[in-house]
Amino acid sequence: EDKVVQSPLSLVVHEGDTVTLNCSYEVTNFRSLLWYKQEKKAPTFLFMLTSSGIEKKSGRLSSILDKKELFSILNITATQTGDSAIYLCAISGGSNYKLTFGKGTLLTVNP
Amino acid sequence: SAVISQKPSRDICQRGTSLTIQCQVDSQVTMMFWYRQQPGQSLTLIATANQGSEATYESGFVIDKFPISRPNLTFSTLTVSNMSPEDSSIYLCSVGVVGRGHAFFGQGTRLTVV
Repeated sequence: EDKVVQSPLSLVVHEGDTVTLNCSYEVTNFRSLLWYKQEKKAPTFLFMLTSSGIEKKSGRLSSILDKKELFSILNITATQTGDSAIYLCAISGGSNYKLTFGKGTLLTVNP
Repeated sequence: SAVISQKPSRDICQRGTSLTIQCQVDSQVTMMFWYRQQPGQSLTLIATANQGSEATYESGFVIDKFPISRPNLTFSTLTVSNMSPEDSSIYLCSVGVVGRGHAFFGQGTRLTVV
């Protein structure tokens, strides 16, 4: 059975701090690892990672995958209050669209 | 990206009743899924909605409790039947769009059963 473990489960930081969110996984047939941001109800897509060692970047957010050690990290630099959300890590074992999610990291950024 | 219309956005229902949630997509869709997110928990896949045939349910979910229809490529419904307070959750429709490598999610339905 595919499994995703995220840490920490919650994190409180001040604006301007840099945070690193962790995701480890077990999967029978790896296809991709995805990061989503959930602010209210709907998760919004951040990154999809398929190859080890290639950093994906979007503004202040970046992510990298290590397929040998079976983990990924999501970095957020110069955090803002608008970054407060649940960050979800998910893996796709057979289809890019059918996902197994971790429990998420609740990030709170205080002014 | 895809525009996914999911409704209702929220509802408060009496135990023992049923609620049908609709998901409509404006793009060519390959796959459609339904997830549940219980309070404080992550997303759990309920089933894959198959066009014109019975849905494929994950372990722990059954058709009698969560009947799903998908009459065409871009529309699906999930019914939560004979509800109890334990069914209070966010229900999310998810789709795979032709030409896009990742899943998109609808706005979600927040269901409260009293």
